[in-house]
Amino acid sequence: QSVLTQPPSVSGAPGQRVTISCTGTSSNIGAGYDVHWYQQLPETAPTLLIYANNNRPSGVPDRFSGSKSGTSASLAITGLQAEDEAEYFCQSFDSSLSGSWVFGGGTKVTVL
Amino acid sequence: QVQLVESGGGLVKPGGSLRLSCAASGFTFSDYYMSWIRQAPGKGLEWVSYISSSSAYTVYADSVEGRFTISRHNAKNSLFLQMDSLRAEDTAVYYCARGDLHDISGPIDYWGQGTLVTVSS
Repeated sequence: QSVLTQPPSVSGAPGQRVTISCTGTSSNIGAGYDVHWYQQLPETAPTLLIYANNNRPSGVPDRFSGSKSGTSASLAITGLQAEDEAEYFCQSFDSSLSGSWVFGGGTKVTVL
Repeated sequence: QVQLVESGGGLVKPGGSLRLSCAASGFTFSDYYMSWIRQAPGKGLEWVSYISSSSAYTVYADSVEGRFTISRHNAKNSLFLQMDSLRAEDTAVYYCARGDLHDISGPIDYWGQGTLVTVSS
């Protein structure tokens, strides 16, 4: 069971907007730690998609955006494209015990 | 460009040991936190361990504490994971990953291609 909670799957038609939620607790997202998002295409390693809640690395299309509020964060994909079909993971830092990196369980985005 | 190349994966019996290596290039390795993250077949990502830039600070997930040891050799731009007392549930692709320059809560901005570890009799 993952420390951060994500829906297992979301789907949308090309051009639509989908959102993925990521819910944490007072020792990670709620403690003010940043949330980062990763995209994993089939049979490949994850890549950084959004960092520090709402920042895109160079090369990431602006149809990807992130937000954070309280103990939760969200990833939005607007203008969904076939190439966006992938697994998406949120990640943060947790201050409990010695401090650890925590991930969401992943959300599979399907383009209908 | 930044490259992280893992090696050392393979098939090992329960209770056995394996040592993973990660060769880093394209950046000043000694400046960064480094980490190992794993992904069991068909499952999500699980953080395993991270190490500070000078090796002064290492942290492990509860699931591997006492069995795995992370280390680094900055002069050789290399990261290691010594895995002992392996269990079937350790079967996964193991990724070498680069953390932030200064902030342990920063993003993982580069990942290796992964190396598969299979624990089975």
